[in-house]
Amino acid sequence: AQRVTQPEKLLSVFKGAPVELKCNYSYSGSPELFWYVQYSRQRLQLLLRHISRESIKGFTADLNKGETSFHLKKPFAQEEDSAMYYCALTTGGYNKLIFGAGTRLAVHP
Amino acid sequence: GAVVSQHPSRVICKSGTSVKIECRSLDFQATTMFWYRQFPKQSLMLMATSNEGSKATYEQGVEKDKFLINHASLTLSTLTVTSAHPEDSSFYICSAIVGAGRDEQFFGPGTRLTVL
Repeated sequence: AQRVTQPEKLLSVFKGAPVELKCNYSYSGSPELFWYVQYSRQRLQLLLRHISRESIKGFTADLNKGETSFHLKKPFAQEEDSAMYYCALTTGGYNKLIFGAGTRLAVHP
Repeated sequence: GAVVSQHPSRVICKSGTSVKIECRSLDFQATTMFWYRQFPKQSLMLMATSNEGSKATYEQGVEKDKFLINHASLTLSTLTVTSAHPEDSSFYICSAIVGAGRDEQFFGPGTRLTVL
């Protein structure tokens, strides 16, 4: 069965520190991986997807098929990055998203 | 563009009553809509996939007679929680995709259901 694991419920860092939010997945085929972000009192929105290979708001994520990981990274965290981050995968078809449990990122001044 | 709305944003009902939640795509036609449930401090769990004009596909463990989904048009899907009980209290979120090769899901703001 497909599964997404985000081992950290909370990641607390100071402004300017590097950030890495971990995501591992299990799927025997070739999934599409996504990172979604939910800022306080806002709806869930797409942050980035692995097929785009782009950097959004300074965040990047590389799909590592050998380690079945899709960790989200940012070299210098900003206070406005504080939010809930969800890793998700889809296996195509009707594009069903399977979400991880989420990691709350708290960036302190 | 690609805005999804939900109505109501909050609803409180008595046990045994039915509650309808609407999900609308405001500026695009959604070939497929999804319904999720989110418990406090937990992740989103997919309940069902809804395609316009056809029956919804429910995930394992989701009672289709309990959670009725209707997708009558390309801009509206409804979720009706029938005979609601306190354990149905949750945050219900819908999302929609445009289709035709564009598979990004756009999420609604969610509906908080509280069953007394």
